[in-house]
Amino acid sequence: AQSVTQLGSHVSVSEGALVLLRCNYSSSVPPYLFWYVQYPNQGLQLLLKYTSAATLVKGINGFEAEFKKSETSFHLTKPSAHMSDAAEYFCAVRTNTGNQFYFGTGTSLTVIP
Amino acid sequence: DAGITQSPRHKVTETGTPVTLRCHQTENHRYMYWYRQDPGHGLRLIHYSYGVKDTDKGEVSDGYSVSRSKTEDFLLTLESATSSQTSVYFCAITAGGGWGYTFGSGTRLTVV
Repeated sequence: AQSVTQLGSHVSVSEGALVLLRCNYSSSVPPYLFWYVQYPNQGLQLLLKYTSAATLVKGINGFEAEFKKSETSFHLTKPSAHMSDAAEYFCAVRTNTGNQFYFGTGTSLTVIP
Repeated sequence: DAGITQSPRHKVTETGTPVTLRCHQTENHRYMYWYRQDPGHGLRLIHYSYGVKDTDKGEVSDGYSVSRSKTEDFLLTLESATSSQTSVYFCAITAGGGWGYTFGSGTRLTVV
């Protein structure tokens, strides 16, 4: 069975500071990995995805994530936080043998002016 | 041209009444999913569909049923709503493979 663990349900950073949101997965086979963002009262939007190409994946809004197989991690980063980045972020995993996604419980990002 | 729409967006219903939520897509994707989102639980899969009349249960399927008679529509029914089913419900679609999900805007359901 697949699972995703997001460390830290709430993260606060100052505007301009580094954003680091952590995601670890458990998978017996190489997975597809995704980060989604959810703004208040909206659905989830795809930020970026890893599908076994480059291990460093760049997404929208300046976010990127690095797939580290040895650490079973797919942490999301952004060099400089912006007020508009305040949202909830979800990591998700899917194996290439099925079409179900497994989501983490989410990390709420607050950006302090 | 959202590609996926959910209706209604908001609904308040009484305990014990049946409720049907609709998910409609214009992408002709094979795979459709219903999730519920609750604080502290993230998104949990209720039911999913791999094609017309081909559905299966997710991890929190008790009290819910689904139907898919056309590629574009995936209906979620609460046969007899309970307060524990108060939640935000999201529909998602995917073309499969390495593609991610596309989510609908959600339905906020309150059972009183």
